[in-house]
Amino acid sequence: ETGVTQSPTHLIKTRGQQVTLRCSSQSGHNTVSWYQQALGQGPQFIFQYYREEENGRGNFPPRFSGLQFPNYSSELNVNALELDDSALYLCASSLGGAGYTFGSGTRLTVV
Amino acid sequence: EDQVTQSPEALRLQEGESSSLNCSYTVSGLRGLFWYRQDPGKGPEFLFTLYSAGEEKEKERLKATLTKKESFLHITAPKPEDSATYLCAVQAYGGSQGNLIFGKGTKLSVKP
Repeated sequence: ETGVTQSPTHLIKTRGQQVTLRCSSQSGHNTVSWYQQALGQGPQFIFQYYREEENGRGNFPPRFSGLQFPNYSSELNVNALELDDSALYLCASSLGGAGYTFGSGTRLTVV
Repeated sequence: EDQVTQSPEALRLQEGESSSLNCSYTVSGLRGLFWYRQDPGKGPEFLFTLYSAGEEKEKERLKATLTKKESFLHITAPKPEDSATYLCAVQAYGGSQGNLIFGKGTKLSVKP
């Protein structure tokens, strides 16, 4: 059984640019959540997708958006990057919201 | 407001020196409390889920317990490979779907 895989592992972007991060969920999992983890902090919930629809969202602005595809993989898109967006972005998959398995994350640096 | 507070922020132990990490939580209705281990630059690795007060779960040198206000992660005779940041998270009934609320974590260092 494969776990959650995220790509890329590291990324450097310039302020104002746009970025897309990708996540493949664990086999059999139909729900994907995204989290932002700043250095020295716990992960913060961005949003969750189930059956290709966003069904939960944290306190993040609309420039954070996402997609879920029929194979349950997912993308996180961030527009108009700001310096404070620099963080580890984590994807977690679950079966119907029970038991979350996290990927290793994408380290985004905005300069 | 639902929130999670972990203490201490950092803990240094000698190999074999048992101790406990604390997770205090405030939540409108607890759906589940989760413990994760996180190594530097990696994603959180699932350890335990607890659902109701009085519940206990064990895995190797780790034991998690839950009361109505807090959870403890007991580490018995730790080894250097137990060094990591331990994260506690809660999920509330009625909260935004999928929303795990995390504490800031306890960074554990175990010296040989």
